[in-house]
Amino acid sequence: KQEVTQIPAALSVPEGENLVLNCSFTDSAIYNLQWFRQDPGKGLTSLLLIQSSQREQTSGRLNASLDKSSGRSTLYIAASQPGDSATYLCAVRTGGFKTIFGAGTRLFVKA
Amino acid sequence: GAGVSQSPSNKVTEKGKDVELRCDPISGHTALYWYRQSLGQGLEFLIYFQGNSAPDKSGLPSDRFSAERTGGSVSTLTIQRTQQEDSAVYLCASSLFGDKNEKLFFGSGTQLSVL
Repeated sequence: KQEVTQIPAALSVPEGENLVLNCSFTDSAIYNLQWFRQDPGKGLTSLLLIQSSQREQTSGRLNASLDKSSGRSTLYIAASQPGDSATYLCAVRTGGFKTIFGAGTRLFVKA
Repeated sequence: GAGVSQSPSNKVTEKGKDVELRCDPISGHTALYWYRQSLGQGLEFLIYFQGNSAPDKSGLPSDRFSAERTGGSVSTLTIQRTQQEDSAVYLCASSLFGDKNEKLFFGSGTQLSVL
């Protein structure tokens, strides 16, 4: 059974710092891995999607990497800003139609 | 529509009552998913629709939960005889074809509170 774990559960950093969020999954047979952002009281916004044949994806200050064989992904946020404060969720698409989510990392960027 | 729309945004009900939650996906999206997010937990898959068919209902937690989709568009999730453990945020997502490498687009969710 696929399980997705995110570490740390919460993180507080000063503005301007570069930071890394970690995600691990137990079954390497995935189609893709997505990183989402969730703001309080709102739905999820897809940030990056890495297909199983890819190693990384970049969008602006965000870079996500995927090491399928070791079951790990990282989300790197450069030059963090207070507006980056949110919960970040990692999710893997497995066989069938399910996307399995981690519990998320709550990020707080202090001005 | 411009995005995935869910209604109501908040629902408070008494234990034992039935509730209906609505999802209006992005226009033209054939795939629709329901998830549940309990406090402090990750998202839990409930059901997937391709058009009006539900090829994967494996996440529905009990026979009190049912869902339908009509006209390949709007979906309704119904919870009968609600229990306190049903309290959660119910999220709906859609994607264009349901292909494995498509991004999911989520609505803002319905916060369900069962007293």
